[in-house]
Amino acid sequence: GAVVSQHPSWVICKSGTSVKIECRSLDFQATTMFWYRQFPKQSLMLMATSNEGSKATYEQGVEKDKFLINHASLTLSTLTVTSAHPEDSSFYICSARGEGRGKGSYNEQFFGPGTRLTVL
Amino acid sequence: GQQLNQSPQSMFIQEGEDVSMNCTSSSIFNTWLWYKQDPGEGPVLLIALYKAGELTSNGRLTAQFGITRKDSFLNISASIPSDVGIYFCAGHNNDMRFGAGTRLTVKP
Repeated sequence: GAVVSQHPSWVICKSGTSVKIECRSLDFQATTMFWYRQFPKQSLMLMATSNEGSKATYEQGVEKDKFLINHASLTLSTLTVTSAHPEDSSFYICSARGEGRGKGSYNEQFFGPGTRLTVL
Repeated sequence: GQQLNQSPQSMFIQEGEDVSMNCTSSSIFNTWLWYKQDPGEGPVLLIALYKAGELTSNGRLTAQFGITRKDSFLNISASIPSDVGIYFCAGHNNDMRFGAGTRLTVKP
């Protein structure tokens, strides 16, 4: 199956600093990538949809100025958590949509391994 | 928004037992999917269902896409210890929405 990587796999930072997380599709091109956040023992919550070459679409309640998304190429999307605070500590997971992979109207999403962010 | 209600929240079973979990929604989905997530990792696709009424198997796993397109179930037969993990249902239209998860514990 298709492979999606994330870097770093974990990061610890001080409150007030910014953290960048990378999501790469390794063997396919993805015009659309998605960013999810998962708190302990909870489900994955969609934060934003990242579109190559255009602005990301954010879910209601997600601050676009705090969670900056850049999708500069067909294989890379980045999420920058700006001025991180302890409440931003979470597991961040990206997925990449493989065009033409799937059936019907569904193009399969391939998930990365996640990035654990801890803000002290 | 599109809410998915997944049950049960958790299950504790003996090795060899069968497992059943389900998801319901107030919204119609075009695709239903079931994922398994191990601690500290991303979700891994188990089964994808593309049309109402579809029944699909993957080894010991069987899932069905409800006729109303608002529900789906996942069955695991003859559970083994490595089935331990969190199982998520997901409904997909333009994007993917996840259920709250079912945490499965299998006792040897």
